[in-house]
Amino acid sequence: KAGVTQTPRYLIKTRGQQVTLSCSPISGHRSVSWYQQTPGQGLQFLFEYFSETQRNKGNFPGRFSGRQFSNSRSEMNVSTLELGDSALYLCASSSQGGPWDEQFFGPGTRLTVL
Amino acid sequence: ELKVEQNPLFLSMQEGKNYTIYCNYSTTSDRLYWYRQDPGKSLESLFVLLSNGAVKQEGRLMASLDTKARLSTLHITAAVHDLSATYFCAVMPPGGGADGLTFGKGTHLIIQP
Repeated sequence: KAGVTQTPRYLIKTRGQQVTLSCSPISGHRSVSWYQQTPGQGLQFLFEYFSETQRNKGNFPGRFSGRQFSNSRSEMNVSTLELGDSALYLCASSSQGGPWDEQFFGPGTRLTVL
Repeated sequence: ELKVEQNPLFLSMQEGKNYTIYCNYSTTSDRLYWYRQDPGKSLESLFVLLSNGAVKQEGRLMASLDTKARLSTLHITAAVHDLSATYFCAVMPPGGGADGLTFGKGTHLIIQP
Protein backbone atom coordinates (compact mmCIF):
# COMPACT_ATOMS: atom_id res chain seq x y z
CA LYS A 1 0.00 0.00 0.00
CA ALA A 2 1.38 3.40 -0.94
CA GLY A 3 1.89 5.81 1.90
CA VAL A 4 0.78 9.39 2.34
CA THR A 5 2.20 11.68 -0.33
CA GLN A 6 2.63 15.42 -0.20
CA THR A 7 3.51 17.85 -2.94
CA PRO A 8 5.52 19.88 -3.37
CA ARG A 9 8.24 18.85 -0.96
CA TYR A 10 9.84 22.28 -0.86
CA LEU A 11 8.52 25.77 -1.52
CA ILE A 12 9.99 29.22 -1.34
CA LYS A 13 7.60 32.16 -1.35
CA THR A 14 7.74 35.83 -0.46
CA ARG A 15 5.64 37.72 2.06
CA GLY A 16 2.16 38.54 0.85
CA GLN A 17 1.95 35.67 -1.61
CA GLN A 18 -0.33 32.70 -1.22
CA VAL A 19 0.49 29.02 -1.39
CA THR A 20 -1.36 25.74 -1.90
CA LEU A 21 -0.08 22.44 -0.57
CA SER A 22 -1.44 19.04 -1.55
CA CYS A 23 -1.82 15.77 0.32
CA SER A 24 -2.91 12.38 -0.98
CA PRO A 25 -3.91 9.98 1.79
CA ILE A 26 -3.41 6.25 1.93
CA SER A 27 -5.88 4.50 -0.34
CA GLY A 28 -9.13 3.92 1.51
CA HIS A 29 -8.45 6.52 4.18
CA ARG A 30 -11.09 9.20 4.41
CA SER A 31 -9.68 11.46 7.12
CA VAL A 32 -6.86 13.93 6.46
CA SER A 33 -5.34 16.11 9.15
CA TRP A 34 -2.84 18.92 8.72
CA TYR A 35 -0.15 19.97 11.20
CA GLN A 36 2.34 22.81 11.27
CA GLN A 37 5.78 22.25 12.77
CA THR A 38 8.02 25.15 13.74
CA PRO A 39 11.03 25.28 16.07
CA GLY A 40 9.25 27.68 18.40
CA GLN A 41 5.74 26.26 18.59
CA GLY A 42 6.43 22.62 17.85
CA LEU A 43 3.77 20.49 16.19
CA GLN A 44 0.35 22.10 16.08
CA PHE A 45 -2.93 20.85 14.68
CA LEU A 46 -4.32 22.94 11.82
CA PHE A 47 -7.50 21.17 10.73
CA GLU A 48 -9.04 17.85 9.86
CA TYR A 49 -11.21 16.85 6.92
CA PHE A 50 -13.49 13.88 6.53
CA SER A 51 -15.76 13.23 3.57
CA GLU A 52 -15.06 16.68 2.16
CA THR A 53 -16.08 18.41 5.40
CA GLN A 54 -13.88 20.22 7.85
CA ARG A 55 -14.71 18.72 11.21
CA ASN A 56 -12.35 20.69 13.40
CA LYS A 57 -9.81 23.44 13.25
CA GLY A 58 -6.93 24.38 15.48
CA ASN A 59 -6.07 27.83 16.73
CA PHE A 60 -4.87 29.39 13.48
CA PRO A 61 -5.97 32.58 11.69
CA GLY A 62 -8.38 32.54 8.80
CA ARG A 63 -5.49 32.88 6.35
CA PHE A 64 -5.11 29.13 6.75
CA SER A 65 -7.78 27.18 4.95
CA GLY A 66 -8.21 23.83 3.34
CA ARG A 67 -10.49 21.56 1.44
CA GLN A 68 -10.95 17.92 0.63
CA PHE A 69 -12.02 16.38 -2.61
CA SER A 70 -14.27 13.42 -3.26
CA ASN A 71 -11.24 11.15 -3.69
CA SER A 72 -10.08 12.20 -0.18
CA ARG A 73 -7.14 14.19 -1.48
CA SER A 74 -6.75 17.40 0.46
CA GLU A 75 -5.26 20.79 -0.11
CA MET A 76 -4.38 23.51 2.31
CA ASN A 77 -4.00 27.13 1.36
CA VAL A 78 -2.23 29.94 3.15
CA SER A 79 -2.98 33.44 1.94
CA THR A 80 -1.02 36.63 2.56
CA LEU A 81 2.05 34.76 3.71
CA GLU A 82 4.00 36.02 6.71
CA LEU A 83 7.56 35.22 7.72
CA GLY A 84 6.22 33.22 10.65
CA ASP A 85 4.46 30.84 8.29
CA SER A 86 7.81 29.29 7.44
CA ALA A 87 7.43 25.74 8.68
CA LEU A 88 7.23 22.09 7.87
CA TYR A 89 3.63 21.25 7.02
CA LEU A 90 2.69 17.65 7.64
CA CYS A 91 -0.45 15.88 6.66
CA ALA A 92 -1.66 12.67 8.21
CA SER A 93 -4.29 10.25 7.03
CA SER A 94 -6.41 7.81 8.95
CA SER A 95 -9.29 5.55 8.15
CA GLN A 96 -12.11 7.48 9.80
CA GLY A 97 -10.37 9.97 12.06
CA GLY A 98 -11.93 8.26 15.00
CA PRO A 99 -10.43 7.70 18.45
CA TRP A 100 -9.13 4.26 17.51
CA ASP A 101 -7.63 5.11 14.14
CA GLU A 102 -3.90 5.53 13.89
CA GLN A 103 -2.67 8.51 11.89
CA PHE A 104 0.01 8.00 9.25
CA PHE A 105 2.16 10.97 8.37
CA GLY A 106 3.40 12.09 4.98
CA PRO A 107 6.93 13.35 4.26
CA GLY A 108 5.92 16.99 4.68
CA THR A 109 6.22 20.19 2.68
CA ARG A 110 8.95 22.57 3.80
CA LEU A 111 7.70 26.16 3.22
CA THR A 112 10.13 29.05 3.43
CA VAL A 113 8.74 32.58 3.37
CA LEU A 114 11.23 35.32 2.50
CA GLU B 1 -7.46 21.96 26.94
CA LEU B 2 -5.23 18.94 26.62
CA LYS B 3 -1.59 19.64 27.47
CA VAL B 4 1.34 17.28 26.92
CA GLU B 5 4.67 17.79 28.62
CA GLN B 6 7.83 15.91 27.80
CA ASN B 7 11.02 15.87 29.74
CA PRO B 8 13.81 16.23 29.30
CA LEU B 9 13.73 18.38 26.17
CA PHE B 10 17.41 17.82 25.48
CA LEU B 11 19.44 14.78 26.36
CA SER B 12 23.04 13.99 25.57
CA MET B 13 24.17 10.55 26.57
CA GLN B 14 26.92 8.08 25.91
CA GLU B 15 26.58 4.87 23.98
CA GLY B 16 25.83 1.92 26.18
CA LYS B 17 23.91 3.90 28.80
CA ASN B 18 20.24 3.62 29.73
CA TYR B 19 17.81 6.50 30.01
CA THR B 20 14.10 7.31 30.19
CA ILE B 21 12.03 10.02 28.52
CA TYR B 22 8.83 11.03 30.31
CA CYS B 23 5.54 12.20 28.84
CA ASN B 24 2.81 13.64 31.08
CA TYR B 25 -0.60 14.69 29.84
CA SER B 26 -3.39 16.63 31.44
CA THR B 27 -6.71 14.96 30.56
CA THR B 28 -8.06 11.49 30.18
CA SER B 29 -6.89 9.60 27.12
CA ASP B 30 -6.50 5.95 26.34
CA ARG B 31 -4.24 6.30 23.32
CA LEU B 32 -0.73 7.58 23.22
CA TYR B 33 1.79 7.55 20.42
CA TRP B 34 5.55 7.80 20.28
CA TYR B 35 7.21 9.13 17.13
CA ARG B 36 10.77 9.54 16.00
CA GLN B 37 11.87 12.40 13.77
CA ASP B 38 15.24 12.69 12.09
CA PRO B 39 16.43 16.17 11.02
CA GLY B 40 14.41 17.50 8.10
CA LYS B 41 12.28 14.36 7.96
CA SER B 42 8.71 13.43 8.78
CA LEU B 43 7.42 11.53 11.79
CA GLU B 44 8.08 7.82 12.02
CA SER B 45 5.66 5.91 14.20
CA LEU B 46 7.38 3.94 16.96
CA PHE B 47 4.66 2.78 19.33
CA VAL B 48 0.92 2.95 19.75
CA LEU B 49 -0.14 2.45 23.37
CA LEU B 50 -3.80 1.58 23.68
CA SER B 51 -4.65 1.06 27.31
CA ASN B 52 -3.54 1.32 30.87
CA GLY B 53 -0.52 -0.84 31.59
CA ALA B 54 0.38 -1.26 27.94
CA VAL B 55 4.03 -2.02 27.34
CA LYS B 56 5.67 -2.33 23.94
CA GLN B 57 9.24 -3.03 22.98
CA GLU B 58 11.17 -2.74 19.76
CA GLY B 59 14.90 -3.31 19.86
CA ARG B 60 16.47 -1.02 22.43
CA LEU B 61 13.29 1.03 22.94
CA MET B 62 10.48 0.22 25.33
CA ALA B 63 7.36 2.30 25.90
CA SER B 64 4.76 2.06 28.63
CA LEU B 65 1.51 3.80 29.53
CA ASP B 66 -0.07 4.49 32.91
CA THR B 67 -3.42 6.16 32.21
CA LYS B 68 -4.19 6.66 35.88
CA ALA B 69 -1.03 8.67 36.37
CA ARG B 70 -1.41 10.16 32.87
CA LEU B 71 2.19 9.22 32.22
CA SER B 72 4.03 7.43 29.48
CA THR B 73 7.71 6.55 29.41
CA LEU B 74 10.11 5.73 26.60
CA HIS B 75 13.06 3.77 27.93
CA ILE B 76 16.30 3.44 26.00
CA THR B 77 18.52 0.49 26.81
CA ALA B 78 22.22 0.40 25.94
CA ALA B 79 21.94 3.37 23.61
CA VAL B 80 23.64 3.36 20.23
CA HIS B 81 24.45 6.33 17.97
CA ASP B 82 21.72 5.39 15.47
CA LEU B 83 19.08 6.25 18.07
CA SER B 84 20.06 9.93 17.94
CA ALA B 85 16.89 11.77 16.88
CA THR B 86 14.02 13.82 18.28
CA TYR B 87 11.32 11.79 20.01
CA PHE B 88 7.76 13.02 20.36
CA CYS B 89 4.88 11.71 22.36
CA ALA B 90 1.38 12.56 21.16
CA VAL B 91 -1.93 12.07 22.88
CA MET B 92 -5.21 11.32 21.16
CA PRO B 93 -7.95 13.53 22.64
CA PRO B 94 -11.20 11.95 23.82
CA GLY B 95 -12.94 13.17 20.67
CA GLY B 96 -10.58 11.22 18.48
CA GLY B 97 -8.39 12.17 15.57
CA ALA B 98 -10.85 14.75 14.30
CA ASP B 99 -9.66 16.97 17.14
CA GLY B 100 -6.03 16.46 16.21
CA LEU B 101 -3.23 14.85 18.12
CA THR B 102 -1.64 16.98 20.82
CA PHE B 103 2.13 16.67 20.78
CA GLY B 104 4.78 17.20 23.38
CA LYS B 105 7.61 19.56 22.49
CA GLY B 106 9.92 16.66 21.74
CA THR B 107 13.08 15.31 23.29
CA HIS B 108 16.20 16.00 21.26
CA LEU B 109 18.44 13.01 21.93
CA ILE B 110 22.13 12.95 21.09
CA ILE B 111 24.04 9.73 21.67
CA GLN B 112 27.79 10.12 21.65
CA PRO B 113 30.34 7.36 21.11
